[in-house]
Amino acid sequence: LAKTTQPISMDSYEGQEVNITCSHNNIATNDYITWYQQFPSQGPRFIIQGYKTKVTNEVASLFIPADRKSSTLSLPRVSLSDTAVYYCLVGSRNTGFQKLVFGTGTRLLVSP
Amino acid sequence: GAVVSQHPSWVICKSGTSVKIECRSLDFQATTMFWYRQFPKQSLMLMATSNEGSKATYEQGVEKDKFLINHASLTLSTLTVTSAHPEDSSFYICSATQPADRVLEDEQYFGPGTRLTVT
Repeated sequence: LAKTTQPISMDSYEGQEVNITCSHNNIATNDYITWYQQFPSQGPRFIIQGYKTKVTNEVASLFIPADRKSSTLSLPRVSLSDTAVYYCLVGSRNTGFQKLVFGTGTRLLVSP
Repeated sequence: GAVVSQHPSWVICKSGTSVKIECRSLDFQATTMFWYRQFPKQSLMLMATSNEGSKATYEQGVEKDKFLINHASLTLSTLTVTSAHPEDSSFYICSATQPADRVLEDEQYFGPGTRLTVT
């Protein structure tokens, strides 16, 4: 299973764009990159997933370079409610299910 | 979207007793469910993989006789913490995936978690 490395914490202000980078040097060919958001005392919530290049949805963008050894989650114009822990994970359905191993995550604090 | 529920959301029990936590996929069938444990300020730690109709696969260091997992149907997996002790107090979270031919993304859906406190 690919190990991921993220910054432990980040600080931002409301309205700013936040970019969280994740390293996954040992990512396998079949692995997807998925980001989850977790609020205190809640289960993680899916944010976005990608395999290569760029993926965008209504809440975030995911940038993946050609070598796929890293990825960047971009949150446009964050608000106070975006304060949470963000996890980057890699995994695949190779054997019919996806086994996720969570790293330390990045604790994002958004201030007024 | 796919929803996973857990019951109870929190439970307090006395040391030495057993506690059962249920994980249900409400609007999809989940052949595989996962159980995680999370201590305060720490990341989620995978405990075991639960497969419908077969024995669970436990991660290294997780006692299978202490954390009993049963996945009796495609929508229900249970985790029973047997002879609970204060050190078992934690936040337990389950997750489930849809069959590969039903989704475009490789998404895993998480339950809201169960807070267990052993006194």
